[in-house]
Amino acid sequence: EDQVTQSPEALRLQEGESSSLNCSYTVSGLRGLFWYRQDPGKGPEFLFTLYSAGEEKEKERLKATLTKKESFLHITAPKPEDSATYLCAVQPYQGGSEKLVFGKGTKLTVNP
Amino acid sequence: ETGVTQSPTHLIKTRGQQVTLRCSSQSGHNTVSWYQQALGQGPQFIFQYYREEENGRGNFPPRFSGLQFPNYSSELNVNALELDDSALYLCASKVRFQETQYFGPGTRLLVL
Repeated sequence: EDQVTQSPEALRLQEGESSSLNCSYTVSGLRGLFWYRQDPGKGPEFLFTLYSAGEEKEKERLKATLTKKESFLHITAPKPEDSATYLCAVQPYQGGSEKLVFGKGTKLTVNP
Repeated sequence: ETGVTQSPTHLIKTRGQQVTLRCSSQSGHNTVSWYQQALGQGPQFIFQYYREEENGRGNFPPRFSGLQFPNYSSELNVNALELDDSALYLCASKVRFQETQYFGPGTRLLVL
C-alpha cells in the first residue's frame, strides 16, 4: 500500500534558525513527489515536484531533495511568514489514475 | 490566468441531507480531482475526472459522486450526509499526463 509519513508533526523555530522536514514514502512506483504549503483554512499551494533520486529544487529559502526512500524540505534562515503546514505527497504509477497520496503534514511555526 | 475556484466557501448541513460542491478548473486544465481533508489530516483522494468520465476512485462509498462538464468544471455530490463527512473539500485541476495538481481554496462542510 502506498504510504507517506512526515516528521516531525510540529516544529517551532526562531527566525533565522535553519532546519529540515522529512518525508518518508513507500510506493509501488514513483511518478513524482510533491511538496505543498497550506495555510490554515486554505487550499494547498504548490511548491515543488521531484521525479528521481538525487534531484534538488530551490525556491527562495526552501530547498527540496529526493532519495529513493525519502525527501527533505530544507528551510534556510526562516522568517515568520514561512509559518504554515507543509504537506508531502506522492503520485504512484497506478493505471490511468493520477491520484496523490498525502502525508499528514508538518506544522511549522517560526517565531520572530 | 484564473486559478482554481470553489463554491461555496462554507456550508452547514444536517445529517441525512444531500450537498453539492462546485469547482472551476484553472484555465487550460482538463483533469479534475476531489480530496477530503479532515482536521489535522492530509487530503484524501476521492476521485478524478477526465473527459467527463471518472478516472480513478479512492476508498469512498458510492454516496460520494461527481460530474465533470464540457468546460471542465466539476461537481461533488454527497448523499445521506454523516457527521464524519465534516471536512474541508478540495478540488485540484491539472493537464492530463502532466504531474502537478493545483488546488482551490476548498469548501468547509460542517454536518450537524
